[in-house]
Amino acid sequence: TQLLEQSPQFLSIQEGENLTVYCNSSSVFSSLQWYRQEPGEGPVLLVTVVTGGEVKKLKRLTFQFGDARKDSSLHITAAQPGDTGLYLCAGARGTGFQKLVFGTGTRLLVSP
Amino acid sequence: DAGVIQSPRHEVTEMGQEVTLRCKPISGHNSLFWYRQTMMRGLELLIYFNNNVPIDDSGMPEDRFSAKMPNASFSTLKIQPSEPRDSAVYFCASKGDIGSYNEQFFGPGTRLTVL
Repeated sequence: TQLLEQSPQFLSIQEGENLTVYCNSSSVFSSLQWYRQEPGEGPVLLVTVVTGGEVKKLKRLTFQFGDARKDSSLHITAAQPGDTGLYLCAGARGTGFQKLVFGTGTRLLVSP
Repeated sequence: DAGVIQSPRHEVTEMGQEVTLRCKPISGHNSLFWYRQTMMRGLELLIYFNNNVPIDDSGMPEDRFSAKMPNASFSTLKIQPSEPRDSAVYFCASKGDIGSYNEQFFGPGTRLTVL
């Protein structure tokens, strides 16, 4: 059972365009993370959000945690070829030691 | 500082053979995770250890899979006998209690092909 559904699954855009990736669940998470994975490498953490409604910015990337802590979004402004990769959201539940549940992934291709 | 180290990076084997994947976590990290990634199923947690003790192995597919962590700096994931459906990229990740909230650091992965 996949607890975290991401949309879209694939996205191919031109350099300079804006995009939004969604991560949705029917479950509540105590925190949610976004990772980016490049070919031949492991996922790398981009951000962690822990408070409902929280918004975090990382240069051209804006992350938002839903008010009910069931969903999240990633918005990229003026995408660049270097943004190409697989974007994964991952949710943690409960307190204390937590294992992550990873989303289905969004594969982004930004062409020059 | 060295990140999570995995070996081998690529493994090609024949069905029925034993496969052993190795992981060295980041020094000082006390949690270690084994994941499997495929196009169909995405990134799945197989097992994780805390202070060298297996905490949750509910993601291990079947008895052919086993994992050990004999000390804080080494872990293995073994598949015996291997089957073609085990072909995937296997990642090891580690996490410390201090620092970024629940951040896991991933190794480069082992790409396993079972013919």
